[in-house]
Amino acid sequence: QSVLTQPPSVSGAPGQRVTISCTGSSSNIGAGYDVHWYQQLPGTAPKLLIYGNSNRPSGVPDRFSGSKSGTSASLAITGLQAEDEADYYCQSYDSSLSGSNVFGTGTKVTVL
Amino acid sequence: QLQLQESGPGLVKPSETLSLTCTVSGGSISSSSYYWGWIRQPPGKGLEWIGSIYYSGSTYYNPSLKSRVTISVDTSKNQFSLKLSSVTAADTAVYYCARHIPYSGSPHDAFDIWGQGTMVTVSS
Repeated sequence: QSVLTQPPSVSGAPGQRVTISCTGSSSNIGAGYDVHWYQQLPGTAPKLLIYGNSNRPSGVPDRFSGSKSGTSASLAITGLQAEDEADYYCQSYDSSLSGSNVFGTGTKVTVL
Repeated sequence: QLQLQESGPGLVKPSETLSLTCTVSGGSISSSSYYWGWIRQPPGKGLEWIGSIYYSGSTYYNPSLKSRVTISVDTSKNQFSLKLSSVTAADTAVYYCARHIPYSGSPHDAFDIWGQGTMVTVSS
């Protein structure tokens, strides 16, 4: 199992704001390593949404924002749209056991 | 526009070696000192980082797979490759190749460009 824990699912009505948490520990997020976020639509490759905790690549709407505090990070989606229904993953680096990039357990976002 | 494309057998027998290649087009694999990586996703499950390689050949592997993984780069062909030995059914997954975004200049950076993925099934 992953060292980064996400809620299995979150949901919201169109236009609402939802947040996805990514909970780690002192060997990953709490150690200061960056957190990145991805969106994965069914049957497609993941798409980078946020890198370096809070930076958006060119082309990603500003409805998506990231933050980090302590041993956790969060992805917020404001003005939820039907097209946001997807799986979301966080990623960081874990320094225990020789070190490894690690992904979160994943969160399914449902637009009601 | 940089594109990545995975290629290789879609079916591998148990105990054999899985071999995949990622071809980079629209840019040089050795330009701007990028890191390149492999990630996999078993059916219906989450993402797992397999390993990454620097254009110069330095490698970084997931400790849980390190004993079975080899990642190499061929700059002359603009490709990097994955070999996973002694495969079992647990290695059945979609395998993605991807580029690390040049943010902090480390193999811990995010993956900003992904291939479409290739499904590999381990079965006799």
